[in-house]
Amino acid sequence: AQTVTQSQPEMSVQEAETVTLSCTYDTSESDYYLFWYKQPPSRQMILVIRQEAYKQQNATENRFSVNFQKAAKSFSLKISDSQLGDAAMYFCAYRSGDAGNNRKLIWGLGTSLAVNP
Amino acid sequence: NAGVMQNPRHLVRRRGQEARLRCSPMKGHSHVYWYRQLPEEGLKFMVYLQKENIIDESGMPKERFSAEFPKEGPSILRIQQVVRGDSAAYFCASSPAAGGMIEQFFGPGTRLTVL
Repeated sequence: AQTVTQSQPEMSVQEAETVTLSCTYDTSESDYYLFWYKQPPSRQMILVIRQEAYKQQNATENRFSVNFQKAAKSFSLKISDSQLGDAAMYFCAYRSGDAGNNRKLIWGLGTSLAVNP
Repeated sequence: NAGVMQNPRHLVRRRGQEARLRCSPMKGHSHVYWYRQLPEEGLKFMVYLQKENIIDESGMPKERFSAEFPKEGPSILRIQQVVRGDSAAYFCASSPAAGGMIEQFFGPGTRLTVL
C-alpha cells in the first residue's frame, strides 16, 4: 500500500522569504501523480500544485514550485516570497496511476505553516 | 460556477443518533468522493461514487456508514448510531472525470461532533 509522509508537523517563515516543505512517499508503482493542497483556517482544501511522475520537469505555479526526486521518492514544496496569506496547513497527496485504483487521494498528515510579519 | 456545497457545516449529534451529510458537486461533475479528517490527522478516503453507483468504498467502515449519489439531488453520507469516535470533519470532493491529473475540488466540509 502506498503511504505519504510529511516529517515536519510545523514550520515557520518570515514574510518575503522562502520556505521548503518536505514530503516523501512509498510506492511500488511507476505511474502516479502527486499533489500539494493548502488548507487555510476556513478548512477548505485548495489545490496548490500537481506533478505527473513520468515528467522529469518540476512543476511551477507562480511562487510555488516543487522539487520532485522520483528515485528518492521525494516531493518537496517550495514557497518563494512568502505572504501572510500563505499561512495554512499544507498536505501532500498521492494518487495511483493504476486505472483500477486511481480515484482516491492518499494523504500525509500535513505541515502547519506560520508566516511571521 | 458555484463550488462544491456541503451542508450542514456543523452538525451535533448525541450517541446513537443518525447523521446525514449532504454534498452537492460542482455543476457538470459526476464524480464524488468522501474523505474523513480526524483531529490532528490528514484526510482518509472513504468512498467514491458516480451517479447512482458506488465505485469504490474501500475506505468506508463496514458498519453504520453508507453513501449514495442519486440521479437527482446531492450525495448523502449517512452515519447510523453515531459514536464519539465518529467526531471528525467530513469533506466531499467532486471532479468532472476520474484519475490522472484531474483535480478534485473540495467542499468546505461538515464538522460532526458527537456528544
